[in-house]
Amino acid sequence: QQQVKQSPQSLIVQKGGISIINCAYENTAFDYFPWYQQFPGKGPALLIAIRPDVSEKKEGRFTISFNKSAKQFSLHIMDSQPGDSATYFCAAPAPDSWGKLQFGAGTQVVVTP
Amino acid sequence: DAMVIQNPRYQVTQFGKPVTLSCSQTLNHNVMYWYQQKSSQAPKLLFHYYDKDFNNEADTPDNFQSRRPNTSFCFLDIRSPGLGDAAMYLCATSRESGVNSPLHFGNGTRLTVT
Repeated sequence: QQQVKQSPQSLIVQKGGISIINCAYENTAFDYFPWYQQFPGKGPALLIAIRPDVSEKKEGRFTISFNKSAKQFSLHIMDSQPGDSATYFCAAPAPDSWGKLQFGAGTQVVVTP
Repeated sequence: DAMVIQNPRYQVTQFGKPVTLSCSQTLNHNVMYWYQQKSSQAPKLLFHYYDKDFNNEADTPDNFQSRRPNTSFCFLDIRSPGLGDAAMYLCATSRESGVNSPLHFGNGTRLTVT
C-alpha cells in the first residue's frame, strides 16, 4: 500500500518555467520530508529537505512548501534549466518506523531549451 | 572523494543462477541499505544494516540475502534469480539510522535475468 502519493508522473516545462511536483502522505512516525533527484544512470541524491517547523524552505531555485494539516508537500523548481531534467522523488518517514523512508513513485521532469 | 561504489554496473545472470552484487563505501557510515528499483518506480527497501545488526523488510523475499563483513563492504546475494528480479539495485549509506540522516546512494547495478 502506497503511503506517499506523488504527482504528476511526468512533466515537460520550457526553460525558464516553473516545475511543480506534489506529494501527499498518510501518516508518519517522524516529521522530515526530503526530495531526491536522480539523473539517468545515477543513484538518487538528496536535493532538499524540510522539517515541518517551517512551512517553506528555499535553496537556490528549489523550494519546498509544506502543508501539515493537509498532509501535503510540494517541490517548486523556479527558472527551470535543461540541467534540471531528472526524476524527482519525494519521501516521507514510514508510519511504523522512525528510521525508514518511503519514496513516492517519482516524477520525470524534462526541461526543453 | 568519499563515495558509495557499486560493482558491477551491469550484471547478466541466468534464471536460477545465484548472483552477488557488491557495494563499498569510503564514508565510514554506520548504516548500509539495499534498495530495488524497477523501471519508473520508487526505490524499494530490501534490508539494511546498522553496523552489524541486520534488519530485513517484512516483504523482502527469502531469495534475497545480504552480508556485511566489515564497515566498508556490503553484499546482496540473490540465490535463485527469477525474471521478476530484473531491476536496478541501489546501495545506500547513512551516518545514522534516523530518517533525517541523508542517504548517499551508489550508481546502482542493473541486473538482467535471462
